[in-house]
Amino acid sequence: DSGVTQTPKHLITATGQRVTLRCSPRSGDLSVYWYQQSLDQGLQFLIQYYNGEERAKGNILERFSAQQFPDLHSELNLSSLELGDSALYFCASSSRDRVFDTQYFGPGTRLTVL
Amino acid sequence: AQSVAQPEDQVNVAEGNPLTVKCTYSVSGNPYLFWYVQYPNRGLQFLLKYITGDNLVKGSYGFEAEFNKSQTSFHLKKPSALVSDSALYFCAVRRVEGTGRRALTFGSGTRLQVQP
Repeated sequence: DSGVTQTPKHLITATGQRVTLRCSPRSGDLSVYWYQQSLDQGLQFLIQYYNGEERAKGNILERFSAQQFPDLHSELNLSSLELGDSALYFCASSSRDRVFDTQYFGPGTRLTVL
Repeated sequence: AQSVAQPEDQVNVAEGNPLTVKCTYSVSGNPYLFWYVQYPNRGLQFLLKYITGDNLVKGSYGFEAEFNKSQTSFHLKKPSALVSDSALYFCAVRRVEGTGRRALTFGSGTRLQVQP
């Protein structure tokens, strides 16, 4: 167990809908990262927050957004969902914003869009 | 831009034999390199990382990896495989400096199958 928690574990929804995925980092970690794992794209970095501020953006669609709250938990919002958004979404956390910091991953949220 | 190649989709090895999972990388400047393992229906678990110093890095569960700068490789090894090592293994790279250094770039993964 990495200490990173994600809810819900599974989410099934319809095209056009909006969902929110939640992540709680390890105790004391200030950085949160979001990744998407799909069969065709593999594991892709979406976005990073550090102590409430956005620090880096990857291949995140405009329909997706995220934020990190004062208690350091983070939420990933996915809207106008399409079939292709079906994937496993991982949150990871690290202690600081240093390049050599290890990222510890949560168990993921499996999103199925029907 | 950085990239990681894991040339083998699957590696099969008998229990008790040594195992190697290959990884090569491409990055501008110096790299930080990581190995993660993913068991079914679980998240990624950190195994080990190379930051600087000794090219041979030891990690969790008896795994080790050797950083080879000239060959841009970071192969994962274990002297004696266990059936419980069967899982999906990911190599990842991060740039030391410059833009894009915050993101981990992952390889496509290698499925390790250890036969009893």
